[in-house]
Amino acid sequence: ILNVEQSPQSLHVQEGDSTNFTCSFPSSNFYALHWYRWETAKSPEALFVMTLNGDEKKKGRISATLNTKEGYSYLYIKGSQPEDSATYLCALGTTDSWGKLQFGAGTQVVVTP
Amino acid sequence: GAVVSQHPSRVICKSGTSVKIECRSLDFQATTMFWYRQFPKQSLMLMATSNEGSKATYEQGVEKDKFLINHASLTLSTLTVTSAHPEDSSFYICSTLGRESGGMANIQYFGAGTRLSVL
Repeated sequence: ILNVEQSPQSLHVQEGDSTNFTCSFPSSNFYALHWYRWETAKSPEALFVMTLNGDEKKKGRISATLNTKEGYSYLYIKGSQPEDSATYLCALGTTDSWGKLQFGAGTQVVVTP
Repeated sequence: GAVVSQHPSRVICKSGTSVKIECRSLDFQATTMFWYRQFPKQSLMLMATSNEGSKATYEQGVEKDKFLINHASLTLSTLTVTSAHPEDSSFYICSTLGRESGGMANIQYFGAGTRLSVL
């Protein structure tokens, strides 16, 4: 089992503040790094799929970077809003595990007005 | 993206009974589906990969006779927890393997999960 670690486990953010958190993973056999957003009682929703070292992707106020050589990805939320409150999961795909993903335990983000 | 419906969202059953969880792909033909289990404050753990028309592939340590998976059509996969016991109480969630909207990468589309409580 691959060790995909997310930190912190949870964080509280004031509305309007920006925040970021980390996903670290073993860099061997890297294929893709996924980020999902999971709101309570809903389905996890794909945010980004990142495959190239140095990749940076953006969706609205949320962006992510990827370093495959050192095995980490950052997710950034700019100007947090209450609707950004969710658990953010990262998941690793490797070249020897077609289609399958190894998930981290998630970072729970709570944005307070 | 694909829409995946999972039912029921919550089930409470007595020890020794069997529970069936359905995972439907509503607008997409799902050749491959995945079943995960999540314990509190832990990550989603893959239990098995379900392929339409063939036997599921189980991850190491997952009892195939305990967790029966059927994927008889391109839109439906079921997970049956047989003779459930309190230690089977957990959160179970399915996903289908699909293509990223507007992109080429494979991603997973998830159901909303099933909370199983065995008394």
